Amino acid sequence: ETGVTQSPTHLIKTRGQQVTLRCSSQSGHNTVSWYQQALGQGPQFIFQYYREEENGRGNFPPRFSGLQFPNYSSELNVNALELDDSALYLCASSLESSGREQFFGPGTRLTVL
Amino acid sequence: AQTVTQSQPEMSVQEAETVTLSCTYDTSENNYYLFWYKQPPSRQMILVIRQEAYKQQNATENRFSVNFQKAAKSFSLKISDSQLGDTAMYFCAFMSYNQGGKLIFGQGTELSVKP
Repeated sequence: ETGVTQSPTHLIKTRGQQVTLRCSSQSGHNTVSWYQQALGQGPQFIFQYYREEENGRGNFPPRFSGLQFPNYSSELNVNALELDDSALYLCASSLESSGREQFFGPGTRLTVL
Repeated sequence: AQTVTQSQPEMSVQEAETVTLSCTYDTSENNYYLFWYKQPPSRQMILVIRQEAYKQQNATENRFSVNFQKAAKSFSLKISDSQLGDTAMYFCAFMSYNQGGKLIFGQGTELSVKP
């Protein structure tokens, strides 16, 4: 059984650019949640995708958007990058939208200069 | 809005000893889950233990156990027989039944296990 994978591992961008982060969910999982973890903080929920539809969103602006594909992999897109977007981005997959058992990937470290 | 508070930014324990990490939360809901996650330096968040609010019995997973006090909104983690591999950031998290998938995390406690 393959666990949750994320790519890339690290990424450096400049202010105003756009970025796409990718997540492959654990085999058989149809739900993906994305979190932003600033340095020294706990993760904050961005949104969840269930069967290719957004199924809940945290307090993030519309320039944070996502997609989920038929194979349940997912992308997180961030437009007009700001310095404060520098963080570790985590995705977590689960077997159902209740999310009572979420399996996390290793994260993508995004640095915005 | 729900909040989760971990008041101990850092803790240390000697190998083989017992340590307790504290967590309090605030919610007006009655049906929810509480979790402890471990994040080692490798960054991958790992579920340590889960408690469902309707269950009075405290959850236990091997060396890890919780003290769940629903009325006090307290959810502490006890690690027995601490091992060097337990060194990590520990996060307490809350999730409402009504907001499936939305974990609300505390600020974390950095635990160091010393040989």
